[in-house]
This record gives sequence, structure tokens and C-alpha cells, in this order.
Amino acid sequence: DGGITQSPKYLFRKEGQNVTLSCEQNLNHDAMYWYRQDPGQGLRLIYYSQIVNDFQKGDIAEGYSVSREKKESFPLTVTSAQKNPTAFYLCASSIAGGPGTEAFFGQGTRLTVV
Amino acid sequence: EDQVTQSPEALRLQEGESSSLNCSYTVSGLRGLFWYRQDPGKGPEFLFTLYSAGEEKEKERLKATLTKKESFLHITAPKPEDSATYLCAALYNFNKFYFGSGTKLNVKP
Repeated sequence: DGGITQSPKYLFRKEGQNVTLSCEQNLNHDAMYWYRQDPGQGLRLIYYSQIVNDFQKGDIAEGYSVSREKKESFPLTVTSAQKNPTAFYLCASSIAGGPGTEAFFGQGTRLTVV
Repeated sequence: EDQVTQSPEALRLQEGESSSLNCSYTVSGLRGLFWYRQDPGKGPEFLFTLYSAGEEKEKERLKATLTKKESFLHITAPKPEDSATYLCAALYNFNKFYFGSGTKLNVKP
């Protein structure tokens, strides 16, 4: 089945540590996205990528980093510089441009700082 | 700045009581308007895409419509299983999706 896989589902991080969230898609989509969702708030864009080896900052990129070495993969690293990392993180992908540009989401990773 | 505003924040309905959810968006440069359903602890599930004013899409008890300034998600005779948070998103240039904060729908039997 085609889709987007995020792992792990739950992640616990000690203060001062970097952690990496995985996102893999087999939909052959060019564009991939990372969003953060806090309780009672909408999705806020962290980073997005429209093509391999290229990515752009979203609205809340500080304290995060990404890479896009393969079309299928777009991992997100939450660094120790992110002051309030506890949140629900969602990865999505879409066709870049043209009809059918809706984004499809993974099931999310819930990150908790302990 | 491009943005999306949803109302109401929360909506409680009795089973069978029809209603509408609103999504207002910044007009310039809109490439598409999307509706999603999100259940607690899950990723958003795609429902509809609307591209131009006057367009309508239907799926079971849901119908999405688009005007030049806003979109509506009409829920006809809802059932308890329709309870979820409904998100709308606007797509502008450079493949950036802007999401509203959602409407949390609770349908009581």
C-alpha cells in the first residue's frame, strides 16, 4: 500500500539531546513537509522540500534541521536549540504543482521532553 | 500575510442536526482549498480539494463549497462517528500549505 510512514510513534528526549524523526513515503511525491501541532492549535510549517537536495524554512524553523538526500525520505532533527520541543509532529507529501496537489499525512510522532 | 481562519472553534450537535463549518482565507494567489478530518492522536485524513469559486464536492454526509473569500463544510444529519476535528488548508505559491486551527465537532447520540 502507498503511504507515508513516520517513526517512532512516541519519542522521549532528555533536555540537551538532539533527536531525529523519520518520514518515508512511497507515493513518488516530489514535495515533502514537516508540521508541528500543539494542543488547540493548527498545523505550523517547520520545513518543506520540493525536490531532492533542496529544502526551505517554514514559519517555525528555528531549532530544527532537515535533509532530503532521497526522494522517499525527509528526516527531521529536533536540536537542543529548540526551547519547547514537546509537540505532535506530522510529515506530509504532495505532488509539486498541478491538479491533485493535496497533501497526504503520516500518523505523526509525539515527542515529549523529560 | 496569507492566513486561514476557521470558525467556530468547537461545535456540539445532536445526531441528525445539520450545520456548517466556515473557513476564511486570504484571496490572492490561492491555488487550492483543502479539507481534512483529524481524529485524536492521528494524522489528518484528506477529504476534499476545491480549486475555483462555485465548486462543490460531496462525500456521504459532507459537502464542501468554495466562494471567492471562504469555504464551507456542510454536515447533513451527522452521526456520532462524524465527531473529529476538521481542518482546512489553503495552498499558495511555492507549494506552501497554510492550515487553520480547526473546528472540533462533537456529535451526541
